[in-house]
Amino acid sequence: KNQVEQSPQSLIILEGKNCTLQCNYTVSPFSNLRWYKQDTGRGPVSLTIMTFSENTKSNGRYTATLDADTKQSSLHITASQLSDSASYICVVDSGYSTLTFGKGTMLLVSP
Amino acid sequence: DAGVIQSPRHEVTEMGQEVTLRCKPISGHNSLFWYRQTMMRGLELLIYFNNNVPIDDSGMPEDRFSAKMPNASFSTLKIQPSEPRDSAVYFCASSSTGGAGGEAFFGQGTRLTVV
Repeated sequence: KNQVEQSPQSLIILEGKNCTLQCNYTVSPFSNLRWYKQDTGRGPVSLTIMTFSENTKSNGRYTATLDADTKQSSLHITASQLSDSASYICVVDSGYSTLTFGKGTMLLVSP
Repeated sequence: DAGVIQSPRHEVTEMGQEVTLRCKPISGHNSLFWYRQTMMRGLELLIYFNNNVPIDDSGMPEDRFSAKMPNASFSTLKIQPSEPRDSAVYFCASSSTGGAGGEAFFGQGTRLTVV
């Protein structure tokens, strides 16, 4: 069964600190993996999309990594800001319109 | 562009009533998706259209749910009759890259409460 597991479920960090969110998947076949940021009461916004051949991609202070061999991805946030407080969702695309979503990690950045 | 526009933002209805959610995708995008989000199950893809044609509706939970896209700038998701377990946030998203794997831009969502 295709699954995407994210950890931790929730995280509290101090403003200015770094953090790393994890995503493990058992999805096959694999087309791409994406990270979304979802602010409370808003729709998800795409942060990164990585294909099989990409092992790192950055978007400002967000850096995603992908290890297709171990089926793991991480999202690293550098120098966190209060506006980073949100839910971060990992999604794996198998191709043929099959998407498997993680439940998300809720991040709270505290002043 | 104003982005993906959904209406209404909030809907409260009684069990058994018909509910219609509306979506205007980003102009020029040829793929449109309907998602449902709950605390228990997270985000779920319900259906997606490509060039106004439904491509995959395997995520539609049951016959009470139906979706239409009469033209490139409008889509509806209808629930009839509604049930309390349909309470969720429903998102519409659109994409220009085709298929469910393209980068999708989401609307603000419609929060549906069925009492």
